[in-house]
Amino acid sequence: QKEVEQDPGPLSVPEGAIVSLNCTYSNSAFQYFMWYRQYSRKGPELLMYTYSSGNKEDGRFTAQVDKSSKYISLFIRDSQPSDSATYLCAMRRASGGSYIPTFGRGTSLIVHP
Amino acid sequence: EADIYQTPRYLVIGTGKKITLECSQTMGHDKMYWYQQDPGMELHLIHYSYGVNSTEKGDLSSESTVSRIRTEHFPLTLESARPSHTSQYLCASSESTRLGSQYFGPGTRLTVT
Repeated sequence: QKEVEQDPGPLSVPEGAIVSLNCTYSNSAFQYFMWYRQYSRKGPELLMYTYSSGNKEDGRFTAQVDKSSKYISLFIRDSQPSDSATYLCAMRRASGGSYIPTFGRGTSLIVHP
Repeated sequence: EADIYQTPRYLVIGTGKKITLECSQTMGHDKMYWYQQDPGMELHLIHYSYGVNSTEKGDLSSESTVSRIRTEHFPLTLESARPSHTSQYLCASSESTRLGSQYFGPGTRLTVT
């Protein structure tokens, strides 16, 4: 079983929809949770960074962490065609490890006009 | 926007050639990383460095080598390229703080014929 599971999609939604992207994980030692966005033929760029459980909001993006369920989510409100990209979740320990994150395989999102 | 650069962006070479993929960052980050990414798959860590003269192998078995003679420079070398090395190679760097998140370069897309 992989430490981080992420449905590769593709997920296709109409413009303006609310998008929910999710990851599950098995390692309870993970404390830092990240979401990256990767456009085609580009490197990943950091979108959101959260520590432990709870919600974090940044504009149209909300990151949510439920450590009891080992489940994290990224919500995108009022989705735009420019949001079409692959979204990767990543997570890592706070201590006792190399601090190198473990990545999910990414979910491909397509927002059509 | 993160200042991390990779050259070349695209490379097509024949089997058996020696190649070096360049990565430079201007942020003064101590930690640098090389990942391999195939379409729809997870990022696989190949090598990482925690500072000058420090290099470690990652999770993915690789026939590549790296060096870290200067903080800003972390080149990856393939002594003898093979078709199985065809992939996207991503370089990243991060601060040496507890919350230090990774910043990625644009990637090098390598094709070995």
